[in-house]
Amino acid sequence: EADIYQTPRYLVIGTGKKITLECSQTMGHDKMYWYQQDPGMELHLIHYSYGVNSTEKGDLSSESTVSRIRTEHFPLTLESARPSHTSQYLCASSTPLGQGESGGYTFGSGTRLTVV
Amino acid sequence: GDSVTQMEGPVTLSEEAFLTINCTYTATGYPSLFWYVQYPGEGLQLLLKATKADDKGSNKGFEATYRKETTSFHLEKGSVQVSDSAVYFCALYRWDAGNMLTFGGGTRLMVKP
Repeated sequence: EADIYQTPRYLVIGTGKKITLECSQTMGHDKMYWYQQDPGMELHLIHYSYGVNSTEKGDLSSESTVSRIRTEHFPLTLESARPSHTSQYLCASSTPLGQGESGGYTFGSGTRLTVV
Repeated sequence: GDSVTQMEGPVTLSEEAFLTINCTYTATGYPSLFWYVQYPGEGLQLLLKATKADDKGSNKGFEATYRKETTSFHLEKGSVQVSDSAVYFCALYRWDAGNMLTFGGGTRLMVKP
């Protein structure tokens, strides 16, 4: 049962439009992440957050922005969509783990964005 | 920095064949190791994990053993099914490195009936 939800699942939008991809989790996780997944499958971290009011840029430069006003919500915004933004966007969350603990991320089902 | 290297795909097998997907890593300290699976049109799901050397993770007939001496975590399954067709990601996690997962590039598995 998914505890992290992404909407919409699919989005086709015209160039220049502003869009927001939604991500919400019900697990109370502090850390949240956005990944961009290219057709070659590789995952690129574009944004992450340690908690409320914390946002950081990831390894891959992105024109998108994020906000974290509430623990459960981590939306990603593109102010002006371009065809180069066409991709799959995956949201994930996790709790900070101490030494000796294992865990992992919980992923949403993704949003497939197509900009025409 | 930390890195994970997976064998390139796609890996194409017939149903009931034996599967191995190689994964090696570079990291200092004592990372935890993971395999995630991504079915078509979905996000990633945790498949199995191992937290220390010689641990064996297992789930749904898949197994992987944490080999510190060879820095490897190869994924194996004795008899694959068509429903195993997916993309598999190896990943490592170090609790003392910002609580971030480092992913490999993914390996696509296609199983034919």
